[in-house]
Amino acid sequence: DAKTTQPNSMESNEEEPVHLPCNHSTISGTDYIHWYRQLPSQGPEYVIHGLTSNVNNRMASLAIAEDRKSSTLILHRATLRDAAVYYCILRSNDYKLSFGAGTTVTVRA
Amino acid sequence: ETGVTQTPRHLVMGMTNKKSLKCEQHLGHNAMYWYKQSAKKPLELMFVYNFKEQTENNSVPSRFSPECPNSSHLFLHLHTLQPEDSALYLCASSQDVGGRRNTIYFGEGSWLTVV
Repeated sequence: DAKTTQPNSMESNEEEPVHLPCNHSTISGTDYIHWYRQLPSQGPEYVIHGLTSNVNNRMASLAIAEDRKSSTLILHRATLRDAAVYYCILRSNDYKLSFGAGTTVTVRA
Repeated sequence: ETGVTQTPRHLVMGMTNKKSLKCEQHLGHNAMYWYKQSAKKPLELMFVYNFKEQTENNSVPSRFSPECPNSSHLFLHLHTLQPEDSALYLCASSQDVGGRRNTIYFGEGSWLTVV
């Protein structure tokens, strides 16, 4: 899988939006952008994925740059339960989900 | 509840013990995975099974022995482990191994401490 770059950490206040950036300048035309998050003491959980168009689901939104070299995961109203490590992952056509260090999100009450 | 259940959640074992970790998925998936997560390190893929056949062994030492009797169950047999093997062991499953859009579902993990 191609490499992604994320900030080590971000802080947010409860009920405010959180914008998590991810750079993936070497993305290929067929790579999908996936986001997972890992809450403390739990396994990772799927958040959202996309290819070219922006995507929304009940957990978050994914904004993908027009050149696809970057993307942003948007949590619209952060809650304390959103405190986790967020991983941005590029998936090519194989099964290897490669995790980096991710972004640790802290939510202040 | 992700549909992937791991037992036990916590395990302490001596270096001469033999123990097993169990994983069961209720999602009708055909692919199952073992990942290892050590402190302050990214998740490492250990083994992959697709339709009960092992398709990946990521240079894992032989003291870790996986077993996949059917598409719903996956075991990780442990023997003569070292203290540095202490980690969170995560099981996961997906519809199959291929596909850029495939979502992978993880269990909550088994915390292993080797003393």
